[in-house]
Amino acid sequence: EIVLTQSPATLSLSPGERATLSCRASQSVSTYLAWYQQRPGQAPRLLIYDASNRAAGIPARFSGSGSGTDFILTISSLEPEDFAVFYCQQRSNWPPRWTFGQGTKVEI
Amino acid sequence: QVQLVQSGAEVKKPGASVKVSCKASGYVFTGYYMHWVRQAPGQGLEWMGWINPKSGATNYAQKLQGRVTMTRDTSISTAYMELSGLRSDDTAVYYCARSTTVTTHFDYWSQGTLVTVSS
Repeated sequence: EIVLTQSPATLSLSPGERATLSCRASQSVSTYLAWYQQRPGQAPRLLIYDASNRAAGIPARFSGSGSGTDFILTISSLEPEDFAVFYCQQRSNWPPRWTFGQGTKVEI
Repeated sequence: QVQLVQSGAEVKKPGASVKVSCKASGYVFTGYYMHWVRQAPGQGLEWMGWINPKSGATNYAQKLQGRVTMTRDTSISTAYMELSGLRSDDTAVYYCARSTTVTTHFDYWSQGTLVTVSS
């Protein structure tokens, strides 16, 4: 089973700052990686799919990069509503099964 | 607009079963896969499995094989997740989430259903 390791566990930043979140896979997942944001008390929301494609309605300050085993989610300038927990997700080839990273909390 | 609406919170005793529903609207129910994901209090996300609403085919996480059953009723655009042999560590919020194909990301999520297992 592929394991996703996110770092750091917590990121303490101020509004307007740049956030860089890392997700490392235990083996190559090509570009089959997605990022989700979860605000307190809410369901996860898709931000990025296939490593670098922004989902519909997601602001341009969110960007994703990487392939193989190393992936980055960047928030170029933090807005107050961006403080949340972020999860990466990958799927295995066949049968398709998904795993999530343990999450990175971005706090003020 | 796409909506996934789940049934309400449940409290169950250890050993019991729970069945959670997820009613879809705003799209063709049989045209998308449905996944179930759970989240224990203060913990991360755990994928549980998927169902193809068109064919009824399913695939479950190995950890839950034998305890989880996913079904659907296409006449009312509703997916179901039943978990048996409940234990205290099954206490979690259970989400349904949609994907375009069996191999793609989850683009819409429900609001979640809290299932509490307690004696």
